[in-house]
Amino acid sequence: AQKITQTQPGMFVQEKEAVTLDCTYDTSDQSYGLFWYKQPSSGEMIFLIYQGSYDEQNATEGRYSLNFQKARKSANLVISASQLGDSAMYFCAMRELRGDSSYKLIFGSGTRLLVRP
Amino acid sequence: NAGVTQTPKFRILKIGQSMTLQCAQDMNHNYMYWYRQDPGMGLKLIYYSVGAGITDKGEVPNGYNVSRSTTEDFPLRLELAAPSQTSVYFCASTGHNQPQHFGDGTRLSIL
Repeated sequence: AQKITQTQPGMFVQEKEAVTLDCTYDTSDQSYGLFWYKQPSSGEMIFLIYQGSYDEQNATEGRYSLNFQKARKSANLVISASQLGDSAMYFCAMRELRGDSSYKLIFGSGTRLLVRP
Repeated sequence: NAGVTQTPKFRILKIGQSMTLQCAQDMNHNYMYWYRQDPGMGLKLIYYSVGAGITDKGEVPNGYNVSRSTTEDFPLRLELAAPSQTSVYFCASTGHNQPQHFGDGTRLSIL
């Protein structure tokens, strides 16, 4: 069965420094997608970045980048130049592909990031 | 841009009561989902739909029902509310090969 593991329940980072949030996954599918979502204290789920299993380049979106290591089945999120507004829960999720190309997301348990001023 | 709209935002129910959580999207997405998020946890899939008239169970469907009579709407029904259903409920929708767009959530307490 597909599974997402986030081993860091909580992380601290100093403002303006970079931080890496870990995510490992388990799947027997060859075609899959990996997502990161941010959930601030207000509760909404904000999409950050996506990596497809066949993408040759690591995904980047502004200060977010995804360190995708397919052989190790890891998809770590790197946030550069942390800001106070980055304090939130971060969820890694994997797309489970059904035959009709819809997909269900399987979520990890999340990492709470606190940015120190 | 409305996106995914959930109502109500908050609700308190008594054990045994029933209610419907509403979800509507205006992006013409075929795929819609209901998740629940318990405190300190990730999201777990309750039910999903790949189009009008088609629904299927997710990881934790017991105690819930859904219907999908239109592309836009995907209501979630709780028939006999139990304390274990106290949670935050998220509705999401997506098109092909797109990330899921989430509503703002419904915080439900059952006492």
